[in-house]
Order: sequence, then structure tokens, then C-alpha cells
Amino acid sequence: TQLLEQSPQFLSIQEGENLTVYCNSSSVFSSLQWYRQEPGEGPVLLVTVVTGGEVKKLKRLTFQFGDARKDSSLHITAAQPGDTGLYLCAGGWAGGTSYGKLTFGQGTILTVHP
Amino acid sequence: GAGVSQTPSNKVTEKGKYVELRCDPISGHTALYWYRQSLGQGPEFLIYFQGTGAADDSGLPNDRFFAVRPEGSVSTLKIQRTERGDSAVYLCASSTTSGRAKFFGPGTRLTVL
Repeated sequence: TQLLEQSPQFLSIQEGENLTVYCNSSSVFSSLQWYRQEPGEGPVLLVTVVTGGEVKKLKRLTFQFGDARKDSSLHITAAQPGDTGLYLCAGGWAGGTSYGKLTFGQGTILTVHP
Repeated sequence: GAGVSQTPSNKVTEKGKYVELRCDPISGHTALYWYRQSLGQGPEFLIYFQGTGAADDSGLPNDRFFAVRPEGSVSTLKIQRTERGDSAVYLCASSTTSGRAKFFGPGTRLTVL
């Protein structure tokens, strides 16, 4: 059972367009991470958000954690072909034996055409 | 090397065989994680080590799966009597004791024929 639902699953856009990927859950997480994964490689961490309502920016990428810490979004401005990849959100818990364990969404495959 | 390494990168085996997958974490990282990723899916948690002990093995699907980390560094994921449904990419990650940042290896692609 996936606790984190990502949408859309596939996104194909032209260079220069903006896009938003959503990550939703019925569970509250102590932190929410976004990873990017390329074929044949492991996921690479982009950002961690921990406070409800938190917004973080990484160049053209903007990440937001929902006020209730159940959802998050990733917005990319002026997408470039180099942004192509699999984007994964992952929720984490603090404390106890679950500390460090991440639950991943199913991912969003982004393709940016030149 | 500076990153997490995993060997082999690819493993093809026959149904019913035993396989071992190895993970070398980043030096000094006390926490080590195993995940499994099926095609078109996000990684699925298997087991988490803090030092030599398994802090959380709730993701291991059944008793055919076992993992060890005897000296608190290298870890081996062992799968007995492999089944075709075990085919996936097995990812290893490491982090500092309290670190949220997980550093993933490139994975081992396991194919069970």
C-alpha cells in the first residue's frame, strides 16, 4: 500500500514550460524529501522540508511542505532538457525504530523536449 | 570511493537459487538502508541498520530475505530460493546516525529467470 501518492505519473513538456508535481498522503510526516533519479543510478536528494508551510528554493526548483505536513509540491520554472528524470517524494518519521525509514511515492517521470 | 558502492551491478540467476548482494556505505556512516525498486515504482523499504544491528526489518517481505552488517560497515542482503517476483533493482543507502540525508548507491539489478 502506497502511503504517498504522486501526480502526475508522467509529464512530457517543452523546454521553457513550467510544471508542478504533487505528493499527497493521509499520514503526517516529520519530514518530506524530494529525490531525482536517472536511469541506472540511485536517487539523489534534492531537498528536505521539515516544517509545515515551509518553502525552499533550489535555483529553478521550488519545494513546499503543506501546513499539515501531509502533502508537498515541487514546481519547476522554465524547464530544461537537463531536468529530465524520475522525481520521487519520500516521507520520513522522527524517533523510535522508524527513524530513518523513508516511504516513497511511485514517482513522476518528467521528459523535457528541446 | 566517496560514494555508496554496490556489487554486483547486475545479477542474473535461476529460480530457486541463492544470491548475495553487497553494499559498501560511505565511510563513517553508521546508518545503512536497503530498498527494492520495481520497474515504474518508487523504492520500497526493506531493512535499516544502525551500526551492526537491524533497527527496523519490517519491510523484509518474507523469511527468504535476510541481511547482515557484522562489523557495522559493509552489508550483505541474502535471498534464498529466489522467485521471479524477486526481480527488481536493490538499492542501498547510508547516512550519518541522525542524518536525514540518504546517499544511495547505483543499485544491483537482480533478474530471476
